[in-house]
Order: sequence, then structure tokens, then C-alpha cells
Amino acid sequence: NAGVTQTPKFQVLKTGQSMTLQCAQDMNHNSMYWYRQDPGMGLRLIYYSASEGTTDKGEVPNGYNVSRLNKREFSLRLESAAPSQTSVYFCASTIWQGAVNQPQHFGDGTRLSIL
Amino acid sequence: GENVEQHPSTLSVQEGDSAVIKCTYSDSASNYFPWYKQELGKRPQLIIDIRSNVGEKKDQRIAVTLNKTAKHFSLHITETQPEDSAVYFCAAKIQGAQKLVFGQGTRLTINP
Repeated sequence: NAGVTQTPKFQVLKTGQSMTLQCAQDMNHNSMYWYRQDPGMGLRLIYYSASEGTTDKGEVPNGYNVSRLNKREFSLRLESAAPSQTSVYFCASTIWQGAVNQPQHFGDGTRLSIL
Repeated sequence: GENVEQHPSTLSVQEGDSAVIKCTYSDSASNYFPWYKQELGKRPQLIIDIRSNVGEKKDQRIAVTLNKTAKHFSLHITETQPEDSAVYFCAAKIQGAQKLVFGQGTRLTINP
């Protein structure tokens, strides 16, 4: 049981390049999330998928797109990377059970640098 | 939308003393409040959570209190140890919403 797995762990891009960050969970969770973490800014939500087949914008969605490929996988795409997107990206998942709240479980993160 | 303010941003305490981190939230419909600990270079990990129908919850040296009237909740760590040094994040979830809003984090340093 690996939990939440993110790939790659590190990446360096040039401005204007594109890339996709991958996230997969094996906990049968229905909700998945992408956050970015910058120094002093906490965890800011980029996009989330409350259930398979749905995606919604979070606090900082500009410059990103997402795809909920299936129940297990949720990818984040940078179409044209900018230096302002240099950050640590975390994927998280949880099970949504209506009125019962459950904690989110995080992956190890992807450290992305845009030159 | 929901807004979560966390204080202090940095906290330094002597080993064995207690540490308290406070968070306030804006939306009275919030009903779930987790706390995460993040060690340097690691993922955030849940350490304790509380639901709005409970005023206090304890787990060994860690406790969380919730004041719904004042819209604030606090993390209490007693008998602090060097391994408690980390960044701590509070978060809040609005009833019916399927996302968390995080505070800005508190860097806790335990001095030997």
C-alpha cells in the first residue's frame, strides 16, 4: 500500500516548456487535490477533483490544467512554464463520505524549478 | 470564501515546555479542522483533527481545542521534544465543500 505516489520527484524546466506532473493513489479515495507550496505561503490549492469525472478550480489555477484520468490518477499540466511556477507541488487525496469528514493524505511532492 | 489566519509564524520554545499555535477562521459553516506537521523536505502529515461537534481532543502530548463562537482553534503540544521541531499547518473545511483552506504555517523550533 504505497498511499499517494507522485512523479517525478524533481524537475528543471526552461521557460516556455510544458510538462505533466503525475499523481496516483491506491487507497480507493474519490477526491484528489493539487497544491503548490511556496516559502511563507502555506499550501495553496490549484485544482481539485471531488470525484471521478469532475474537476474544479482552487485558489491559484491560472497557468495550470488538470485531468482526472480515472479514480486512481490525477495529473497536473503546465502548458507553458513560467519562473513564477517554481515551487513544490503536492498531490493529496481523501475519501468523501458526505457528512463524514476524513483527512487528506499527501504525496512526497515534486520539486519543480523553472529557469 | 473561507479564510484561515495562523499565528505565530515562528515559535521557539525550550525543550520540555509547552507550545501553542492558534488559528482563526472566517466562515461559521466550517465543521472540520485538521492539523498537519511537515518536517523539512517531507510531506505534510496529519497529527490530529477535530470536528465541530467536539470542543477538545487529545492524543498523548498533543491536544486541539475549538471555540466555535469565537471561530478559533488551537494546537497545544506539551513536554516538547526536539523531534517536535517542524512546520505546523492548520486547516478548515466548510460544511458541504470538498476542500480544505490552510493557514500560512508556524515554524516551531525546540531548543535543547
